[in-house]
Amino acid sequence: GENVEQHPSTLSVQEGDSAVIKCTYSDSASNYFPWYKQELGKRPQLIIDIRSNVGEKKDQRIAVTLNKTAKHFSLHITETQPEDSAVYFCAAIDLDNYGQNFVFGPGTRLSVLP
Amino acid sequence: DGGITQSPKYLFRKEGQNVTLSCEQNLNHDAMYWYRQDPGQGLRLIYYSQIVNDFQKGDIAEGYSVSREKKESFPLTVTSAQKNPTAFYLCASDGGTNQPQHFGDGTRLSIL
Repeated sequence: GENVEQHPSTLSVQEGDSAVIKCTYSDSASNYFPWYKQELGKRPQLIIDIRSNVGEKKDQRIAVTLNKTAKHFSLHITETQPEDSAVYFCAAIDLDNYGQNFVFGPGTRLSVLP
Repeated sequence: DGGITQSPKYLFRKEGQNVTLSCEQNLNHDAMYWYRQDPGQGLRLIYYSQIVNDFQKGDIAEGYSVSREKKESFPLTVTSAQKNPTAFYLCASDGGTNQPQHFGDGTRLSIL
């Protein structure tokens, strides 16, 4: 089955700097990779996603890149702000395989220091 | 507004008691999921259901049970067999293939 690793487990950056979180996956059939942001005590919220037919996707200060050959994808946050502080989870799934489930990475706790 | 509603937000249980967590969605989603989240850990899948009257065990199903009698509802029962039930429980749903998951606000379960 799929296995998702995520690094680093914690990340501290100064406000205005960039943050990068990387996930690797094991199942080459996985074709959909969402990223969730979870603030303390709240629900995970989808912030960006990418499908395997795309190498990069950007939404304002957030971007995700996908390297299918190496089986890794990364979340990039530019011009970080204190409100970006949260736990970020990546996930992978083969959406074409009925019965497959999302497999989540263990999470990265991002702290943006003012 | 469409969404996923979990109740209660906080739940306290005495040892040896069963307790049921509610999850309701009005998104017309076929698939629903239950995850457990512990401090410093990711989301672990307990049970999932991809259609009414059918559900499957996830990675950590022992000590839990579910039912899916209605499309909108997927309650989770934490039984006395679950030896370490204190955790944050998240319910999620999705509309099937090519759809991301959406999460409820979660229920925090504590043992008295």
